[in-house]
Amino acid sequence: DARVTQTPRHKVTEMGQEVTMRCQPILGHNTVFWYRQTMMQGLELLAYFRNRAPLDDSGMPKDRFSAEMPDATLATLKIQPSEPRDSAVYFCASGLDRGKYFGPGTRLTVT
Amino acid sequence: EDKVVQSPLSLVVHEGDTVTLNCSYEVTNFRSLLWYKQEKKAPTFLFMLTSSGIEKKSGRLSSILDKKELFSILNITATQTGDSAVYLCAVEASGGYQKVTFGTGTKLQVIP
Repeated sequence: DARVTQTPRHKVTEMGQEVTMRCQPILGHNTVFWYRQTMMQGLELLAYFRNRAPLDDSGMPKDRFSAEMPDATLATLKIQPSEPRDSAVYFCASGLDRGKYFGPGTRLTVT
Repeated sequence: EDKVVQSPLSLVVHEGDTVTLNCSYEVTNFRSLLWYKQEKKAPTFLFMLTSSGIEKKSGRLSSILDKKELFSILNITATQTGDSAVYLCAVEASGGYQKVTFGTGTKLQVIP
């Protein structure tokens, strides 16, 4: 049963530290999305890739966030420096032209 | 700005009841509407709708899209306690980019 995997599942870090979250999409999927979910804002699209190319990252604060897809089996989301307001659950989703299948998420807490 | 509004925000029903969840949207270059179920973890995909008037069905769940009136409904018949979750509606837009906008969800609680 193919699944999207994300690591780490939980991360607690201090303000100012760099955070890297990783996602392994389902093999064969050509689209990868990064979302952030908070109680206040709900689910927000941060960035997405199609065939490893970044197509839209307008939802991402560019000064501190970056998203890459170094190969077809790995997508990364990096925050540097992290801030308390970045505390959220970060989901990766993959699919064929759509991000239909979500990973379990990374719960990030920035103190 | 693209917008997705779900109603009601929350709902409490008894097992066996039928519920209808609503999703209305305003989006430029509509591509598809998706429904997800979220329990205490990641959203789980339920349906993708692209054409008006064609019902998608999976067991006790069904959904339909009206592209003229810009809304979709998700029906759950004979509800069970396992249906308790937040149901999310999302709309995809296209046209040189692919934008996904989620609604805030409907929290459904099914009590025995």
